[in-house]
Amino acid sequence: SQKIEQNSEALNIQEGKTATLTCNYTNYSPAYLQWYRQDPGRGPVFLLLIRENEKEKRKERLKVTFDTTLKQSLFHITASQPADSATYLCALDIGGSYIPTFGRGTSLIVHP
Amino acid sequence: DAGVTQSPTHLIKTRGQQVTLRCSPKSGHDTVSWYQQALGQGPQFIFQYYEEEERQRGNFPDRFSGHQFPNYSSELNVNALLLGDSALYLCASSLAGQISYEQYFGPGTRLTVT
Repeated sequence: SQKIEQNSEALNIQEGKTATLTCNYTNYSPAYLQWYRQDPGRGPVFLLLIRENEKEKRKERLKVTFDTTLKQSLFHITASQPADSATYLCALDIGGSYIPTFGRGTSLIVHP
Repeated sequence: DAGVTQSPTHLIKTRGQQVTLRCSPKSGHDTVSWYQQALGQGPQFIFQYYEEEERQRGNFPDRFSGHQFPNYSSELNVNALLLGDSALYLCASSLAGQISYEQYFGPGTRLTVT
């Protein structure tokens, strides 16, 4: 079955550095992959979508890459700020259903 | 422009009881999806409603049912509650046919089953 793997350990970085989060998947090539941000007790907030034929997508300080050969997406936040501290979820389309399947998320903590 | 709203915010129920959760989608959206999120996990898809019909369903038992109204709002019903149903229940709305597949999530309803 499809597995989506995100690092369960929290990522701790210093303010101003680039945070890099990883999303790996197995068994299937999704049509698209999404990244969401979730704050404690709140619903996820959509950040970026990247399609299978795109290598990279940018939005302000955010950058997402998608390597369908490695079955991996990397999510970068440049010049990170304490306000970027949150859990980041990746989600991908399974079987062309257009219903995203979510990973468990990785917690990012940016220290001032 | 109101985003996705959900009610109630928190709910405590006893095993065996039934619960109804409500969701109003973002203005202009016609599709509502429901997710269950256990602590430390990602959201798990329960089902999706469009044009007042269940369009897709995840791997959840029949105890989970839903409804969509003509104004696109939706309800999630859970019967015969189990302790394992304790979770954050999220509603997400979207617009059918959009190529971005972007969903807007509500704040969720925290359900505790004792």
